[in-house]
Amino acid sequence: GEDVEQSLFLSVREGDSSVINCTYTDSSSTYLYWYKQEPGAGLQLLTYIFSNMDMKQDQRLTVLLNKKDKHLSLRIADTQTGDSAIYFCAETTYNQGGKLIFGQGTELSVKP
Amino acid sequence: DAGVIQSPRHEVTEMGQEVTLRCKPISGHDYLFWYRQTMMRGLELLIYFNNNVPIDDSGMPEDRFSAKMPNASFSTLKIQPSEPRDSAVYFCASSLRLAGNQRATDTQYFGPGTRLTVL
Repeated sequence: GEDVEQSLFLSVREGDSSVINCTYTDSSSTYLYWYKQEPGAGLQLLTYIFSNMDMKQDQRLTVLLNKKDKHLSLRIADTQTGDSAIYFCAETTYNQGGKLIFGQGTELSVKP
Repeated sequence: DAGVIQSPRHEVTEMGQEVTLRCKPISGHDYLFWYRQTMMRGLELLIYFNNNVPIDDSGMPEDRFSAKMPNASFSTLKIQPSEPRDSAVYFCASSLRLAGNQRATDTQYFGPGTRLTVL
């Protein structure tokens, strides 16, 4: 079945850039999302990218999509301590009937 | 809009008791999803509704779980009887449409979750 993989932990220093990576197996994925989950909170949509795009930039966030390698990345520029959270990659396709398939989440720790 | 609203935020109960989780989707959203999050299994889709009708319940773990959506602004997820292995965070999400047309309206918005502990 469809699978989404992420590394579990990432630690960076405040002010550095963070890059969180995600790989997926479903080549027909049409939507790819990044969600952020702060402790004790729900999932907050950060950004999304459609499969016909290679890159999307939104303020400090840059999403890169490599369809050939089925690889998605989220770059956070000038990472702040408030960015510390768990980041989930998710994908879906029309054939999945709207089901989001989530990765395990990457815990980002930002040290001052 | 207030976003997706879930209640209660925390629930502690004893094994064998009935548990009811509640969700109010974003007004105007036609789709409602129930997810469960655990350390072992991550985020799993349990069931989703379209216009109050259950469309796919293949993720519901067993007959002890049931979900209803009596109207467009309210849904419940019930566990009867509850077991310790049901302990998890349960999220409700809603969206205007399903994925398929590459529009932002397909995006799912999540509630804050209900943390369930079954002793």
